[in-house]
Amino acid sequence: AQKITQTQPGMFVQEKEAVTLDCTYDTSDPSYGLFWYKQPSSGEMIFLIYQGSYDQQNATEGRYSLNFQKARKSANLVISASQLGDSAMYFCAMRETGNQFYFGTGTSLTVIP
Amino acid sequence: DGGITQSPKYLFRKEGQNVTLSCEQNLNHDAMYWYRQDPGQGLRLIYYSQIVNDFQKGDIAEGYSVSREKKESFPLTVTSAQKNPTAFYLCASRFSYNEQFFGPGTRLTVL
Repeated sequence: AQKITQTQPGMFVQEKEAVTLDCTYDTSDPSYGLFWYKQPSSGEMIFLIYQGSYDQQNATEGRYSLNFQKARKSANLVISASQLGDSAMYFCAMRETGNQFYFGTGTSLTVIP
Repeated sequence: DGGITQSPKYLFRKEGQNVTLSCEQNLNHDAMYWYRQDPGQGLRLIYYSQIVNDFQKGDIAEGYSVSREKKESFPLTVTSAQKNPTAFYLCASRFSYNEQFFGPGTRLTVL
């Protein structure tokens, strides 16, 4: 079974609008971490936001927030006030106890002027 | 400036050759990772190392080898046994239970 599932291969959003990128995960480990990364066309992976499995509050970092629904095993990324520079691939990832990370297949986001 | 460097940025290999991709970090991170990314795909783990002189196979280790003789360095060798090595290779490091930091990547092409 896939550890991380991203069901949206591509998404479009109007500039200045908000967009939600979906991520569901599968684990039986009670202690885990969830991450979102941005990958521009240059290829480098840029860390955006982190949510721990025991965190009570949803994580926020500037225009990024993580909608963490533990019972549904979902960790959706919300980008508010989209900018043209947000156009990129976005990857959801999970770390279980230990050091291995699992990545989804990514969502390509295009911001339309 | 602290960070992760990978070299070269572009690498071309003839079939049957071994090539080594460099990954160096000055972040004093214990754990280091190598991933492979194919076009339109996510990242797949090749090898990771938690401490010097210790490393574990990831999901796609066949045809690859690594060493970890120094904390700062985690080179990846793509051997001739890897049948389809053309891909984008990313190195990452991590401190404790925090996020991974990634290098800029190496694009390997087999001619």
